[in-house]
Amino acid sequence: GQQVMQIPQYQHVQEGEDFTTYCNSSTTLSNIQWYKQRPGGHPVFLIQLVKSGEVKKQKRLTFQFGEAKKNSSLHITATQTTDVGTYFCAGPKGGGSNYKLTFGKGTLLTVNP
Amino acid sequence: GAVVSQHPSRVICKSGTSVKIECRSLDFQATTMFWYRQFPKQSLMLMATSNEGSKATYEQGVEKDKFLINHASLTLSTLTVTSAHPEDSSFYICSARRRDRGVNIQYFGAGTRLSVL
Repeated sequence: GQQVMQIPQYQHVQEGEDFTTYCNSSTTLSNIQWYKQRPGGHPVFLIQLVKSGEVKKQKRLTFQFGEAKKNSSLHITATQTTDVGTYFCAGPKGGGSNYKLTFGKGTLLTVNP
Repeated sequence: GAVVSQHPSRVICKSGTSVKIECRSLDFQATTMFWYRQFPKQSLMLMATSNEGSKATYEQGVEKDKFLINHASLTLSTLTVTSAHPEDSSFYICSARRRDRGVNIQYFGAGTRLSVL
């Protein structure tokens, strides 16, 4: 079945350092979404990428979708303590109109102030 | 907007009892809601898709008789863990799908921590 893999599983950085998490799918994706879950919180939607090679930015966050639409990355420039949390990528799960998602295992980012 | 309320946030019960968890979309209608299980420091495992007015569809390996799902209205889905056992202890989280500017986004509830003694 479809698998969505994410690396690294954990990342600890000093405040001000950059951070990148990578997402790889075993199948080609029509789109990919990214969610952030703060410690003790619930996942919150960040962005969706659809086009091959697409790059989108949200302030210090840069999201990329690979040319083959099987991988994606999230890069945070100059991390802040507010960036702490688990970042999940998610791809459509199967076909149909329910828009189910398969989530990666997530990357837990901790930031040392 | 797009608030999803999940209740209760925490429940402790004895083995053999049933527990009902509610998921409500407060400011939008959701024809589709999802139920996940999340283990500590792990990802979200989709259990089932709840469709308003029809039967839920369950993922492979999830017992439908164990995890009863009802989506009786466009704003409410319930998950009932029947005859709960300690191995059912987990964090259950729901989401409701809403289409925002052409994007199908899942809005998550705060989750329910179930502890079965």
